[in-house]
Amino acid sequence: EDKVVQSPLSLVVHEGDTVTLNCSYEVTNFRSLLWYKQEKKAPTFLFMLTSSGIEKKSGRLSSILDKKELFSILNITATQTGDSAIYLCAVDGTSYGKLTFGQGTILTVHP
Amino acid sequence: NAGVMQNPRHLVRRRGQEARLRCSPVKGHSHVYWYRQLPEEGLKFMVYLQKENIIDESGMPKERFSAEFPKEGPSILRIQQVVRGDSAAYFCASRGDFGAEAFFGQGTRLTVV
Repeated sequence: EDKVVQSPLSLVVHEGDTVTLNCSYEVTNFRSLLWYKQEKKAPTFLFMLTSSGIEKKSGRLSSILDKKELFSILNITATQTGDSAIYLCAVDGTSYGKLTFGQGTILTVHP
Repeated sequence: NAGVMQNPRHLVRRRGQEARLRCSPVKGHSHVYWYRQLPEEGLKFMVYLQKENIIDESGMPKERFSAEFPKEGPSILRIQQVVRGDSAAYFCASRGDFGAEAFFGQGTRLTVV
């Protein structure tokens, strides 16, 4: 059975701090790893990673995948209060997009 | 992801009643997924449908739960004879034939009293 573990489970920082969220996985047939941001509504897509070592970047957010060590990190620099959310990591181990999610990391950014 | 519409947003049912959750995917998407999020837990896969066909229902409880995605109209997740343990947020996601990532709806929060 596919498994995704995220750490830390929760994190409290101040505005301007840099945070690193971790995601490790066990999957039989790896297709991709995805990051989502969930506020009090729909999970919104952040990144999809399929290849090791290639950093994906969007503004202050970036992510990278290590398929040898089976983990990914999500970095957020210069955090803002609007970054407060649950960050979800998921892996797709099928040919049809079925996702296995981790428990999520609850990020709280204080002003 | 604003294109995936779920309704109702909130649903309260008494034990033993039926709950019907609706999901209209992004226009043109033929792949629909349902996930359940229990309090303090991550999203758990329930079922994957591709226009009129159930492809993978390995996450669906064997009894009381069913899903459909008819040729016309929204996908429906139906829970019969609800129990308190069914209280959760139910999310629908859709994906196009050539799309890589799935887009999520805002969820239906079911409360069983």
